[in-house]
Amino acid sequence: DIVMTQTPLSLSVTPGQPASISCKSTQSLLHNDGKTYLYWYLQKPGQPPQLLIYEVSNRFSGVPDRFSGSGSGTDFTLRISRAEAEDVGVYYCMQTKEPPVTFGGGTKVEIK
Amino acid sequence: QVQLVQSGAEVKKPGASVKVSCKASGYTFSNHDINWVRQATGQGLEWMGWMNPNSGRTGYAQKFQGRITMTRNTSTSTAHLELSSLRSEDTAVYYCTRRQGGSRWFDPWGQGTLVTVSS
Repeated sequence: DIVMTQTPLSLSVTPGQPASISCKSTQSLLHNDGKTYLYWYLQKPGQPPQLLIYEVSNRFSGVPDRFSGSGSGTDFTLRISRAEAEDVGVYYCMQTKEPPVTFGGGTKVEIK
Repeated sequence: QVQLVQSGAEVKKPGASVKVSCKASGYTFSNHDINWVRQATGQGLEWMGWMNPNSGRTGYAQKFQGRITMTRNTSTSTAHLELSSLRSEDTAVYYCTRRQGGSRWFDPWGQGTLVTVSS
């Protein structure tokens, strides 16, 4: 199985300041079809996860442009350029390159 | 709009089975795989398996092999997850989610169904 490791476990961010979350996989997520199947989700308290970023760096519909994703192979990063109060929650990376689908352990983001 | 609506909370005794439903609307049910993901209280996300609503074909995480069954009713656009031989560790919120075909993302998600296993 592909293991996804996120750091840090938690993050406290001042509104307006940037934040960054790392996700590392034990195998390359580059598929032989040329796509890299790495996604980022935000789970707000009491809600199901919501998709932020697909295939490493593409913002999903309606996602503010302060969210961006980057990386390749086994190392990926989610960045928030200017954190806002509504960004609080737990962020997860996920891979669907091969089954079983696996998730990172999550990064809890608090806004100061 | 595309929506997945799940059945209500369940309380089960150890050793029993539970069946959770997920009704799809706003799109052609047969065109997208349904995946199930669970989350124990305060814990992370755990993928359980997938089902192709068109063929009924399924794939399960090894951890659940032998006690998980995913089925569907295409006439009502509803997917079902059944988990048997329940134990306390199965207490969790269970989510269904639709897989986008080409890109493989999961969206949307159902609202979640809390299954509590307690004697």
